[in-house]
Amino acid sequence: RKEVEQDPGPFNVPEGATVAFNCTYSNSASQSFFWYRQDCRKEPKLLMSVYSSGNEDGRFTAQLNRASQYISLLIRDSKLSDSATYLCVSPRGTGGFKTIFGAGTRLFVKA
Amino acid sequence: GAGVSQSPRYKVAKRGQDVALRCDPISGHVSLFWYQQALGQGPEFLTYFQNEAQLDKSGLPSDRFFAERPEGSVSTLKIQRTQQEDSAVYLCASRSSVTSYNEQFFGPGTRLTVL
Repeated sequence: RKEVEQDPGPFNVPEGATVAFNCTYSNSASQSFFWYRQDCRKEPKLLMSVYSSGNEDGRFTAQLNRASQYISLLIRDSKLSDSATYLCVSPRGTGGFKTIFGAGTRLFVKA
Repeated sequence: GAGVSQSPRYKVAKRGQDVALRCDPISGHVSLFWYQQALGQGPEFLTYFQNEAQLDKSGLPSDRFFAERPEGSVSTLKIQRTQQEDSAVYLCASRSSVTSYNEQFFGPGTRLTVL
């Protein structure tokens, strides 16, 4: 089992929709997580950090459920510009200094 | 301000050739990471530097891969005797501190194609 797992999608949603992605992790010692956004043929960029129970930034809400070992990302009122791949990230894998990325969830928002 | 830069942006190599990929991190950033990203996958960790010290190289796929950061700034990832399976985007990221909870800033990547 991979340390960080995501549903690859793709998620195809209309503009204005609410969409949610989940990410499961196996390292119970992980204290915090990140969501990065990656546009096609571009580098990943930080979207949100997730500490304690959750974080909210405008249309984006991230939550952490330690008991079930998953984090979620909720996007409200989807925009065309939200179309991208969303990467779930654990900054510290088991041992060492590894940063573990999920394979990413693809989102397509259509008009 | 200047972000992370990488060169070359594109590299085509014949199988068996050696290649060197360069990363210029954000000035003053202590931590530096190298990742390999295959098409349709998330970045896979290769190695981590804290200043000039390579503290984790557990992700390097084979002994053909070698990374260095001799002065704690610019880093080079070298791949010897390239194979077709080495074709991927190689991403470099830097972070201002050693704290794992801070953001990593990524460069644009080097797209390596091995023929």
